Amino acid sequence: EIVLTQSPGTLSLSPGERATLSCRASQSFRSNYLIWYQQKPGQAPRLLIYGASSRATGIPDRFSGSGSGTDFTLTISRLEPEDFAVYYCQQYDSSPWTFGQGTKVEI
Amino acid sequence: EVQLVESGGGLVQPGGSRRLSCAASGFTFSSYWIHWVRQAPGKGLVWVSRINTDGSSTKYADSVKGRFTISRDNAKSTAYLQMNSLRVEDTAVYYCVRDWEWPDHWGQGTLVTVSS
Repeated sequence: EIVLTQSPGTLSLSPGERATLSCRASQSFRSNYLIWYQQKPGQAPRLLIYGASSRATGIPDRFSGSGSGTDFTLTISRLEPEDFAVYYCQQYDSSPWTFGQGTKVEI
Repeated sequence: EVQLVESGGGLVQPGGSRRLSCAASGFTFSSYWIHWVRQAPGKGLVWVSRINTDGSSTKYADSVKGRFTISRDNAKSTAYLQMNSLRVEDTAVYYCVRDWEWPDHWGQGTLVTVSS
């Protein structure tokens, strides 16, 4: 199965700053079937990015995804107070689905 | 509005059984694969199982194979996860997830606690 490794584990930033989150895969994808989610305490994951770089419906354009092959990045251009949360990457290229361990973005 | 509503969680003893339901509305349920994903308290997300549109194909994580069974009733727009021989390590919030070209919608989850 494809192992996803996210870095850093925790990112300490201030509102207005830029956040760069990394997700590295143990093997290359056939297609860019990578997703980014945001999760807040007590809530289900919220889809942000699919296909590595396509924003889901209703997601602000400060969120962007990039990358291909084995290296993927989620960038939040200017952090808003509501963006402080845990972010997960997930591959849906092959079965079983696998997830990264998460990056916590904290103030 | 697309909705997935899980139910059936609760406290169960080790070795016991539980059936989770995932009731769908707001879309054509029979057109989508359904997955179950779980999250232990304070931990990350782990895929559990999936079923195709007509129920003819299922798949499981090794950790639950032989103990869990996924099924669906398209007439009721509901998917199920039958969990048998439950272990303490199965304690988690269980989410159902809609999947077509990509997984795009999650339910709110239901908590299963396995404890004596």
